[in-house]
Amino acid sequence: NAGVTQTPKFQVLKTGQSMTLQCAQDMNHEYMSWYRQDPGMGLRLIHYSVGAGITDQGEVPNGYNVSRSTTEDFPLRLLSAAPSQTSVYFCASTSEGSYEQYFGPGTRLTVT
Amino acid sequence: GDSVTQMEGPVTLSEEAFLTINCTYTATGYPSLFWYVQYPGEGLQLLLKATKADDKGSNKGFEATYRKETTSFHLEKGSVQVSDSAVYFCALTLYYGNNRLAFGKGNQVVVIP
Repeated sequence: NAGVTQTPKFQVLKTGQSMTLQCAQDMNHEYMSWYRQDPGMGLRLIHYSVGAGITDQGEVPNGYNVSRSTTEDFPLRLLSAAPSQTSVYFCASTSEGSYEQYFGPGTRLTVT
Repeated sequence: GDSVTQMEGPVTLSEEAFLTINCTYTATGYPSLFWYVQYPGEGLQLLLKATKADDKGSNKGFEATYRKETTSFHLEKGSVQVSDSAVYFCALTLYYGNNRLAFGKGNQVVVIP
């Protein structure tokens, strides 16, 4: 049981490049979320999903796309990276009826 | 909107000292409240929770009581250890089983031997 996994662990992009941050969970959780963590800002919700095929925007969705084709996977896409997207990104999952969210180890992204 | 406010600044204290981290919230309904901990280089882990007023969450020697009258959920530990050095986040969610958490900014806690 690996829990929530994220890849890559580190990434450096140039402005305008695109990439996908991967997130997978093996706990059969219905709910998955993406957060970004910035110094002095705590964690802010980017996008979330309540099940396969269903996604919605969180607090800071601009510049990011998501899709949820399977229960296990919830990738986060940056279509045209900007320096303002330099951050640490966390994926989390939880099951319906649970209070506890399980977080992945994070991806540290730098956009130059 | 719903929000969480944590006390400003890092917290540095000696081993076996008493720890308090303040957390207050603003919410339109009746939120569930959480403390998450982030150890260096890791993701967040749930430390404790309280789902209704006057509930006390506890885990690993940490405690927090849901105070509706003061909209607070302060974290306390009577005797900290070096291994408690981490970042602590207060958070809330309005809906049972909902995956939308609102986090405070976090407090870095450094425990000196």
